[in-house]
Amino acid sequence: GQNIDQPTEMTATEGAIVQINCTYQTSGFNGLFWYQQHAGEAPTFLSYNVLDGLEEKGRFSSFLSRSKGYSYLLLKELQMKDSASYLCAVMDSNYQLIWGAGTKLIIKP
Amino acid sequence: SQTIHQWPATLVQPVGSPLSLECTVEGTSNPNLYWYRQAAGRGLQLLFYSVGIGQISSEVPQNLSASRPQDRQFILSSKKLLLSDSGFYLCAWSDLAGYNEQFFGPGTRLTVL
Repeated sequence: GQNIDQPTEMTATEGAIVQINCTYQTSGFNGLFWYQQHAGEAPTFLSYNVLDGLEEKGRFSSFLSRSKGYSYLLLKELQMKDSASYLCAVMDSNYQLIWGAGTKLIIKP
Repeated sequence: SQTIHQWPATLVQPVGSPLSLECTVEGTSNPNLYWYRQAAGRGLQLLFYSVGIGQISSEVPQNLSASRPQDRQFILSSKKLLLSDSGFYLCAWSDLAGYNEQFFGPGTRLTVL
């Protein structure tokens, strides 16, 4: 079967750095996506990785290791507005997105 | 630029009543369209996707159906709602190739009582 695993909840302090991990087992791989979802709102796209390595976008970076079936989202200089759920999704061989349950990130002052 | 609309934003319906949720996309042609459901504290469950007018693929057998009467219109329906149909319904689009990210509408929060 296909499976995406992420921690259910994480807590971090404003101004700090947090790493949210995602491991996956899917039938084929055509890229991995990270989305941010604030409570009661729709997910918004953060990043896309299809090759191994690190992609940096401002305060957010995403890393992929295809051989390990592993990715992480790194958030630096945390702000209170970063409190949200972060969803990991993998595009399988049929170009369908398989979604993780999301990681709820709580930022404390 | 592309925009995606969904309505209504919230809906409270009794068990056994019908449902119709509408999604429209502007600023793009021939998009792939998707209906997802998200239960509280859970991930996204793909319900239906469409690669063109009248072309609907169902991912989960259930009492819901979808239709795509126009290129940029996607409708989710039910003849008789169940309690388990409660959730946050999201419509999304991606470009025709489907390789890139999906963009989501604002969602409809459905409560079945």
